[in-house]
Amino acid sequence: AQSVTQLGSHVSVSEGALVLLRCNYSSSVPPYLFWYVQYPNQGLQLLLKYTTGATLVKGINGFEAEFKKSETSFHLTKPSAHMSDAAEYFCAVSPGGYNKLIFGAGTRLAVHP
Amino acid sequence: DTAVSQTPKYLVTQMGNDKSIKCEQNLGHDTMYWYKQDSKKFLKIMFSYNNKELIINETVPNRFSPKSPDKAHLNLHINSLELGDSAVYFCASSQVGAADTQYFGPGTRLTVL
Repeated sequence: AQSVTQLGSHVSVSEGALVLLRCNYSSSVPPYLFWYVQYPNQGLQLLLKYTTGATLVKGINGFEAEFKKSETSFHLTKPSAHMSDAAEYFCAVSPGGYNKLIFGAGTRLAVHP
Repeated sequence: DTAVSQTPKYLVTQMGNDKSIKCEQNLGHDTMYWYKQDSKKFLKIMFSYNNKELIINETVPNRFSPKSPDKAHLNLHINSLELGDSAVYFCASSQVGAADTQYFGPGTRLTVL
């Protein structure tokens, strides 16, 4: 069965510091991997996704993620945090052939001055 | 124009009542979904429809009945509401492939008293 584990339910960084949000997945088939962001009282917005091809994926707002098959990981990074990055971040896997997303538990990112 | 819209945004009701949440997408997508986000922010797929046909039902109680009058609309009707149904319900849509991005609505916060 497919699953997603996000390490750290809360991450706090200083403005300008590196953001690293961890995601590990379990999938019996080649996965499609997604990162979504949820701002307070809003829906989810896609940050980036990996389907095939280049394993380093760039997304919106300066975020990027690297698919590492050997480590079953898809960690999200941003070189320099901004106050506006404070939100809930969800990693998700879409098992090939099924139209659904399986989400991790989410990581709340706080950015302090 | 809002891509995926839901009404109402907030719904407060008593236990035992029946309520509906409406969802519409103007993206021309073939597939629509309902997700439930609980109080701990955990997101779980409930249903998936492709071209008005149910393709995924994730062991949701029979009290929940999705209805898709056309491929741009997917409504969720809930009978005999229980306290545990309190959550945020998100509608989403995508093209048909598992790698395709799902676009989420703003959510409906249901509170059952």
